[in-house]
Amino acid sequence: DAMVIQNPRYQVTQFGKPVTLSCSQTLNHNVMYWYQQKSSQAPKLLFHYYDKDFNNEADTPDNFQSRRPNTSFCFLDIRSPGLGDAAMYLCATSRDRGVQETQYFGPGTRLLVL
Amino acid sequence: ILNVEQSPQSLHVQEGDSTNFTCSFPSSNFYALHWYRWETAKSPEALFVMTLNGDEKKKGRISATLNTKEGYSYLYIKGSQPEDSATYLCASPMGDSWGKLQFGAGTQVVVTP
Repeated sequence: DAMVIQNPRYQVTQFGKPVTLSCSQTLNHNVMYWYQQKSSQAPKLLFHYYDKDFNNEADTPDNFQSRRPNTSFCFLDIRSPGLGDAAMYLCATSRDRGVQETQYFGPGTRLLVL
Repeated sequence: ILNVEQSPQSLHVQEGDSTNFTCSFPSSNFYALHWYRWETAKSPEALFVMTLNGDEKKKGRISATLNTKEGYSYLYIKGSQPEDSATYLCASPMGDSWGKLQFGAGTQVVVTP
Protein backbone atom coordinates (compact mmCIF):
# COMPACT_ATOMS: atom_id res chain seq x y z
CA ASP A 1 0.00 0.00 0.00
CA ALA A 2 1.12 3.52 -0.74
CA MET A 3 2.03 5.22 2.45
CA VAL A 4 4.02 7.71 4.48
CA ILE A 5 6.71 6.15 6.64
CA GLN A 6 8.52 7.77 9.52
CA ASN A 7 11.62 6.45 11.22
CA PRO A 8 12.29 6.01 13.98
CA ARG A 9 8.94 5.89 15.83
CA TYR A 10 10.68 6.91 19.05
CA GLN A 11 13.88 8.89 19.31
CA VAL A 12 15.78 9.74 22.45
CA THR A 13 18.50 12.36 22.25
CA GLN A 14 20.56 14.40 24.64
CA PHE A 15 20.25 18.09 25.21
CA GLY A 16 22.24 19.83 22.48
CA LYS A 17 23.01 16.68 20.47
CA PRO A 18 21.93 16.98 16.81
CA VAL A 19 19.19 14.63 15.73
CA THR A 20 17.63 13.77 12.37
CA LEU A 21 14.15 12.44 11.80
CA SER A 22 13.26 10.87 8.48
CA CYS A 23 10.16 10.58 6.36
CA SER A 24 9.57 8.70 3.15
CA GLN A 25 6.55 8.38 0.90
CA THR A 26 5.46 6.04 -1.85
CA LEU A 27 2.60 8.28 -2.99
CA ASN A 28 4.74 10.35 -5.35
CA HIS A 29 3.21 13.51 -3.91
CA ASN A 30 4.64 16.91 -4.67
CA VAL A 31 4.25 18.41 -1.22
CA MET A 32 5.80 17.23 2.04
CA TYR A 33 5.15 18.82 5.43
CA TRP A 34 6.64 18.65 8.91
CA TYR A 35 4.44 19.33 11.93
CA GLN A 36 5.32 19.55 15.60
CA GLN A 37 2.73 18.51 18.16
CA LYS A 38 3.28 19.07 21.85
CA SER A 39 1.12 17.37 24.43
CA SER A 40 -2.60 18.25 24.14
CA GLN A 41 -1.86 20.98 21.61
CA ALA A 42 -2.71 21.39 17.95
CA PRO A 43 -0.17 20.17 15.39
CA LYS A 44 1.89 23.16 14.30
CA LEU A 45 3.36 23.43 10.81
CA LEU A 46 7.13 23.93 10.85
CA PHE A 47 7.78 24.01 7.09
CA HIS A 48 6.86 22.36 3.85
CA TYR A 49 8.41 21.50 0.51
CA TYR A 50 6.52 22.16 -2.68
CA ASP A 51 8.56 19.95 -4.96
CA LYS A 52 12.09 21.30 -4.32
CA ASP A 53 10.90 24.66 -3.09
CA PHE A 54 11.39 25.00 0.68
CA ASN A 55 8.84 27.08 2.61
CA ASN A 56 9.65 27.93 6.21
CA GLU A 57 7.01 29.17 8.64
CA ALA A 58 7.84 32.56 10.09
CA ASP A 59 7.84 31.34 13.68
CA THR A 60 9.86 28.15 13.14
CA PRO A 61 13.09 28.40 15.17
CA ASP A 62 16.38 28.42 13.27
CA ASN A 63 17.29 25.30 15.22
CA PHE A 64 15.01 23.36 12.86
CA GLN A 65 16.17 22.60 9.34
CA SER A 66 14.91 20.34 6.60
CA ARG A 67 16.21 18.57 3.53
CA ARG A 68 14.43 16.93 0.65
CA PRO A 69 17.01 15.14 -1.49
CA ASN A 70 14.40 13.62 -3.79
CA THR A 71 10.63 13.28 -4.17
CA SER A 72 10.38 10.35 -1.79
CA PHE A 73 12.42 11.47 1.19
CA CYS A 74 12.35 14.39 3.57
CA PHE A 75 14.41 14.94 6.72
CA LEU A 76 13.96 17.09 9.77
CA ASP A 77 17.21 18.14 11.42
CA ILE A 78 17.25 19.62 14.90
CA ARG A 79 20.69 21.15 15.33
CA SER A 80 20.75 21.60 19.09
CA PRO A 81 17.68 20.07 20.72
CA GLY A 82 16.42 21.71 23.85
CA LEU A 83 14.06 20.28 26.43
CA GLY A 84 11.27 22.30 24.83
CA ASP A 85 11.70 20.42 21.56
CA ALA A 86 10.39 17.20 23.03
CA ALA A 87 7.26 16.52 21.02
CA MET A 88 5.60 14.33 18.41
CA TYR A 89 6.84 15.17 14.91
CA LEU A 90 4.47 14.36 12.09
CA CYS A 91 5.34 14.16 8.43
CA ALA A 92 2.59 14.56 5.87
CA THR A 93 2.25 14.69 2.11
CA SER A 94 -0.27 16.00 -0.38
CA ARG A 95 -0.57 15.66 -4.11
CA ASP A 96 -0.60 19.41 -4.54
CA ARG A 97 -1.22 22.53 -2.50
CA GLY A 98 -4.79 23.74 -2.20
CA VAL A 99 -7.53 24.33 0.33
CA GLN A 100 -9.22 20.99 -0.45
CA GLU A 101 -6.07 18.90 -0.69
CA THR A 102 -6.07 15.97 1.69
CA GLN A 103 -2.87 15.48 3.64
CA TYR A 104 -1.58 11.96 4.22
CA PHE A 105 0.28 11.48 7.45
CA GLY A 106 2.92 9.19 8.78
CA PRO A 107 2.57 7.72 12.28
CA GLY A 108 4.91 10.30 13.76
CA THR A 109 8.20 10.21 15.63
CA ARG A 110 8.07 10.95 19.33
CA LEU A 111 11.20 12.80 20.38
CA LEU A 112 12.45 12.75 23.94
CA VAL A 113 15.24 15.11 24.96
CA LEU A 114 17.23 14.21 28.07
CA ILE B 1 -12.78 33.29 16.88
CA LEU B 2 -9.26 33.67 15.54
CA ASN B 3 -8.12 30.06 15.69
CA VAL B 4 -9.53 26.60 15.16
CA GLU B 5 -10.94 25.35 18.44
CA GLN B 6 -12.39 21.98 19.40
CA SER B 7 -14.59 21.00 22.31
CA PRO B 8 -14.68 19.09 24.43
CA GLN B 9 -11.02 18.19 24.83
CA SER B 10 -12.01 14.62 25.68
CA LEU B 11 -15.08 12.54 26.22
CA HIS B 12 -15.93 9.05 27.36
CA VAL B 13 -18.74 7.15 25.67
CA GLN B 14 -20.36 3.85 26.46
CA GLU B 15 -20.34 1.35 23.64
CA GLY B 16 -23.54 1.69 21.66
CA ASP B 17 -24.16 5.30 22.63
CA SER B 18 -24.03 8.11 20.10
CA THR B 19 -21.98 11.23 20.61
CA ASN B 20 -20.99 14.46 18.92
CA PHE B 21 -18.43 17.20 19.33
CA THR B 22 -17.61 20.57 17.87
CA CYS B 23 -15.02 22.31 15.75
CA SER B 24 -15.16 26.12 15.66
CA PHE B 25 -13.29 28.19 13.11
CA PRO B 26 -13.21 31.79 11.86
CA SER B 27 -16.22 32.27 9.60
CA SER B 28 -14.61 35.03 7.55
CA ASN B 29 -12.57 33.98 4.49
CA PHE B 30 -13.69 30.37 4.80
CA TYR B 31 -12.12 27.95 2.35
CA ALA B 32 -12.66 24.42 3.64
CA LEU B 33 -12.89 22.30 6.77
CA HIS B 34 -10.99 19.03 7.15
CA TRP B 35 -11.64 16.25 9.67
CA TYR B 36 -9.01 13.66 10.58
CA ARG B 37 -9.12 10.64 12.88
CA TRP B 38 -5.95 9.70 14.77
CA GLU B 39 -5.87 6.35 16.49
CA THR B 40 -3.14 5.69 19.01
CA ALA B 41 0.11 4.46 17.43
CA LYS B 42 -1.30 4.97 13.93
CA SER B 43 -1.23 7.72 11.33
CA PRO B 44 -3.85 10.46 11.30
CA GLU B 45 -6.37 9.49 8.63
CA ALA B 46 -8.51 11.85 6.59
CA LEU B 47 -12.26 11.56 7.19
CA PHE B 48 -13.87 14.46 5.35
CA VAL B 49 -13.19 17.65 3.44
CA MET B 50 -16.14 20.01 3.58
CA THR B 51 -16.59 23.20 1.65
CA LEU B 52 -20.26 24.16 1.33
CA ASN B 53 -22.45 25.72 3.99
CA GLY B 54 -25.01 23.14 5.08
CA ASP B 55 -22.88 20.30 3.74
CA GLU B 56 -23.23 16.94 5.40
CA LYS B 57 -20.83 14.06 4.87
CA LYS B 58 -21.03 10.48 6.07
CA LYS B 59 -18.62 7.59 6.38
CA GLY B 60 -20.09 4.54 7.99
CA ARG B 61 -21.34 5.52 11.45
CA ILE B 62 -19.49 8.84 11.38
CA SER B 63 -21.02 11.97 9.90
CA ALA B 64 -20.22 15.66 9.90
CA THR B 65 -22.13 18.88 9.27
CA LEU B 66 -20.86 22.32 8.37
CA ASN B 67 -22.11 25.83 9.13
CA THR B 68 -19.80 28.32 7.48
CA LYS B 69 -21.87 31.38 8.41
CA GLU B 70 -21.50 30.80 12.14
CA GLY B 71 -18.17 29.01 11.90
CA TYR B 72 -18.69 25.54 13.28
CA SER B 73 -18.78 21.89 12.29
CA TYR B 74 -20.18 18.98 14.24
CA LEU B 75 -18.88 15.45 14.01
CA TYR B 76 -21.28 12.70 15.04
CA ILE B 77 -20.58 9.08 15.90
CA LYS B 78 -23.66 6.88 15.90
CA GLY B 79 -23.65 3.73 18.01
CA SER B 80 -20.05 4.15 19.19
CA GLN B 81 -17.79 1.11 19.09
CA PRO B 82 -14.41 0.59 20.83
CA GLU B 83 -12.68 0.97 17.44
CA ASP B 84 -13.99 4.53 17.29
CA SER B 85 -11.64 5.42 20.14
CA ALA B 86 -9.30 8.02 18.69
CA THR B 87 -8.44 11.69 18.68
CA TYR B 88 -10.49 13.58 16.11
CA LEU B 89 -8.78 16.61 14.63
CA CYS B 90 -10.32 19.35 12.55
CA ALA B 91 -8.36 21.81 10.44
CA SER B 92 -9.08 24.77 8.24
CA PRO B 93 -6.95 26.66 5.72
CA MET B 94 -6.61 30.14 7.06
CA GLY B 95 -5.30 33.43 5.85
CA ASP B 96 -3.59 32.00 2.83
CA SER B 97 -5.10 30.41 -0.22
CA TRP B 98 -2.34 27.85 -0.75
CA GLY B 99 -4.01 25.63 1.79
CA LYS B 100 -1.90 25.79 4.94
CA LEU B 101 -3.99 23.97 7.52
CA GLN B 102 -4.50 25.32 10.99
CA PHE B 103 -5.43 22.44 13.26
CA GLY B 104 -7.47 22.32 16.41
CA ALA B 105 -6.07 20.50 19.43
CA GLY B 106 -8.47 17.61 18.91
CA THR B 107 -11.21 15.80 20.79
CA GLN B 108 -10.09 12.54 22.34
CA VAL B 109 -12.89 9.97 22.29
CA VAL B 110 -12.71 6.89 24.49
CA VAL B 111 -15.38 4.25 23.93
CA THR B 112 -15.70 1.76 26.74
CA PRO B 113 -17.37 -1.64 26.37
